[in-house]
Amino acid sequence: TQLLEQSPQFLSIQEGENLTVYCNSSSVFSSLQWYRQEPGEGPVLLVTVVTGGEVKKLKRLTFQFGDARKDSSLHITAAQPGDTGLYLCGANFGNEKLTFGTGTRLTIIP
Amino acid sequence: NAGVTQTPKFRVLKTGQSMTLLCAQDMNHEYMYWYRQDPGMGLRLIHYSVGEGTTAKGEVPDGYNVSRLKKQNFLLGLESAAPSQTSVYFCASRSRDRVSYEQYFGPGTRLTVT
Repeated sequence: TQLLEQSPQFLSIQEGENLTVYCNSSSVFSSLQWYRQEPGEGPVLLVTVVTGGEVKKLKRLTFQFGDARKDSSLHITAAQPGDTGLYLCGANFGNEKLTFGTGTRLTIIP
Repeated sequence: NAGVTQTPKFRVLKTGQSMTLLCAQDMNHEYMYWYRQDPGMGLRLIHYSVGEGTTAKGEVPDGYNVSRLKKQNFLLGLESAAPSQTSVYFCASRSRDRVSYEQYFGPGTRLTVT
């Protein structure tokens, strides 16, 4: 069974600060997705990375896929209260399923 | 397009009762999934389907059954509910794309078993 570790589990920072959350595994991913989930709603896809070393940007969010395809990071620049939520990474290890991390619960304090 | 919808949104059951959760998608996706989400546990896969008429077990299948009689619908059944099945249940679907594996989620069903 492949496992995904996300860190930190909880993060609370002031508006305007920068932050990075991490997603790691001991096994190689075929692809990895980042999702954001708000209270009472389902996860919403933010981005997919499939190539080792790939970097994608979505406004103030920067996503990176590690060269060895075993890790990924999400960096938020100048965090805003609207960034508050649960961030989940989901990885495919070459089968029909996604394995999800336990999530990072992010709170941005105005 | 509605995307992925789930019925009901909330439900309270007594131990031993049965119920069925309905998931519907209008994106013509081949693959559909049922997850449960518990505090600190992330999303855990219960059952999934790779096409109409097919189902397979996920990580935590015990106590649940599923059926995929129509491509657009995926049903999750609890035959005899237990308090341990109190959770938020999410359905997801995806296309055949074997590169990205992107999944699209419904809004969830919050189930409480007393």
